[in-house]
Parts: sequence; structure tokens; C-alpha cells
Amino acid sequence: QSALTQPPSASGSPGQSVTISCTGTSSDVGGYNYVSWYQQHPGKAPKLMIYEVSKRPSGVPDRFSGSKSGNTASLTVSGLQAEDEADYYCSSYAASNNPFGGGTKLTVL
Amino acid sequence: QVQLQESGPGLVKPSETLSLTCAVSGYSISSGYYWGWIRQPPGKGLEWIGSIYHSGSTYYNPSLKSRVTMSVDTSKNQFSLKLSSVTAADTAVYYCARHGTGCSGGSCYWSWFDPWGQGTLVTVSS
Repeated sequence: QSALTQPPSASGSPGQSVTISCTGTSSDVGGYNYVSWYQQHPGKAPKLMIYEVSKRPSGVPDRFSGSKSGNTASLTVSGLQAEDEADYYCSSYAASNNPFGGGTKLTVL
Repeated sequence: QVQLQESGPGLVKPSETLSLTCAVSGYSISSGYYWGWIRQPPGKGLEWIGSIYHSGSTYYNPSLKSRVTMSVDTSKNQFSLKLSSVTAADTAVYYCARHGTGCSGGSCYWSWFDPWGQGTLVTVSS
């Protein structure tokens, strides 16, 4: 069971923006700026998209952005594209036994 | 370019020990970073199993700690996972990944996993 709560699903049309939330507590998400986000396409390994709340690794499109407010972190995907359809997982330092959220399936309509 | 590759048996019998190895290329394990194992049961989410430093220091998920042993072989640039007394609940895709940290205020904290290996499916069945 994940200590970080994500909505099971999210959706948007091509070109739109979608935001996925990741809710923890003051002991994990709210207490540290070490939140990361991962994209996973079916049958593939997860890929790091955002780290330390809002930093993008080299090669990740700037359509992906991260933020945090209180105990909730968010991943925003702007200008949705078909290839953005995937599962997204958040992760935070100190998030109980398992640092990963339960995952959100993003559907591009 | 750092690359990781998992290897090991795809089928393990209940009560036996699951053993996997992760070979690292493009980066020397001895140069730093932690190296981790993460698993994903079919159709479910990600679960961190544990991480190891090149010195051999280990950190395990408390829920699995009693059954997990991780080791590192710097001469072969690889690290390994053993999970004992497996049951069907241990059936999953097992990933290895580099586990990075961030530091602030004089302390360092787990921060990210990158890159990941392609994963290997391990099925526990008689």
C-alpha cells in the first residue's frame, strides 16, 4: 500500500493541459523538496521525468513541469500529445516503507 | 550513457530464493551513487525493495527486510538481489536502477531513480 495518494486516472484532449496530484503528509511531500515523477508506457521501464519537485532531466520536454504546495505535489503536462498516454508515478523521500504513489493512468482522448 | 541490465531465472518455486543480478555499463559503481531494486506485480504499482552503496551499505524496505539481501561486486560492476522464502505474491517484474540523492543543509536524501533497467519478470510457481 502506497503512502502517497494519486488519482487512478486523468485525461485530456490533444493540446490541452492536464495536472496529476500526489498527496502525502508533512513528513514526506510537505517536509522535503525531494519529489520525483516517472512515466511508464505499457511493457516498458519507468522513466524519470521530474526530480526535486520541479527539475527536468536532460531530454525531457519542457511540456512537463512539476510543483508543490503544502503536502501535495503536482505534475502538469501541457500541450498534450498522443505519446504522453502512460502511467505516471510520483515518489517522495521519507514516504513510509514505499516511496512511490499508486500511479495515475493518463489517457489522451 | 549509463545502462543497466537485469538477469536471472524467470521461474522460482515457492519457498525458494529468488536471485537476480544487475550489470551496469557506462558508469563505474565504485564512483558513487546508490543502486536500487524496485518491483512491480502484474497490473500493479511500483514497490521499492532496497538500495546498496558501492561500499556495501544497504537500506531495505522494512516490509521486506527480513527476506532481502543485496550485495555489490565492484570488480564486475554489478549488484545483486536475493529474496528468500518467496510466495506467489513475489511474482513481479523486477527492475534495477541507479538511486540518486540530493543534498541540502549538510544532509543528503534519497531523490530519484535513473536510469532503469528494462526489467525482468520473475514468476513464483511450482
